[in-house]
Amino acid sequence: DGGITQSPKYLFRKEGQNVTLSCEQNLNHDAMYWYRQDPGQGLRLIYYSQIVNDFQKGDIAEGYSVSREKKESFPLTVTSAQKNPTAFYLCARKPGHNTGELFFGEGSRLTVL
Amino acid sequence: DAKTTQPPSMDCAEGRAANLPCNHSTISGNEYVYWYRQIHSQGPQYIIHGLKNNETNEMASLIITEDRKSSTLILPHATLRDTAVYYCIVRYNSGSARQLTFGSGTQLTVLP
Repeated sequence: DGGITQSPKYLFRKEGQNVTLSCEQNLNHDAMYWYRQDPGQGLRLIYYSQIVNDFQKGDIAEGYSVSREKKESFPLTVTSAQKNPTAFYLCARKPGHNTGELFFGEGSRLTVL
Repeated sequence: DAKTTQPPSMDCAEGRAANLPCNHSTISGNEYVYWYRQIHSQGPQYIIHGLKNNETNEMASLIITEDRKSSTLILPHATLRDTAVYYCIVRYNSGSARQLTFGSGTQLTVLP
């Protein structure tokens, strides 16, 4: 699993509801990331965190929120303010500061009904 | 960060070598070339990366031209399980992954 676990794999929600996607890693890595992927598109960065209790907005942070209270956990909340939340969400970890390798989870597919 | 250009799609016969090209003509001296792939509905998988020299691991080989303006990912004996979208990315090794920009990639289809 690449040392990173996302849940749930599939999620349905009604419009106007917030939903939280889980991302857990067990390799004690500092840096974690959330990406969004739409059909036929590449990945776009939502939020990233390089250390506990600190996180930074990516390119498309509006309508999303994150927390990093523990090193191993980086949950993403898709709020009702996100206008087009249906997408494939990917969480990743990075082993070190001076490396570009990212290791991804299996993704969470969110569908808004 | 340097932009990359990849063909949108390629086919390869099973058992043959798959050669996936990537152009990165604006690459700077300290930028690395990374390759990832994404099998349908799964998370991307890191394959290989390099700076100047050719690199090889258990999955693939990476050939970087001397002027570093292009590179080729080689899967030596493609199997049906190698069917995926392959992303070529150029980035610095330090700093956040904010610079890790995934474009549209190349859809490789391995044919039986």
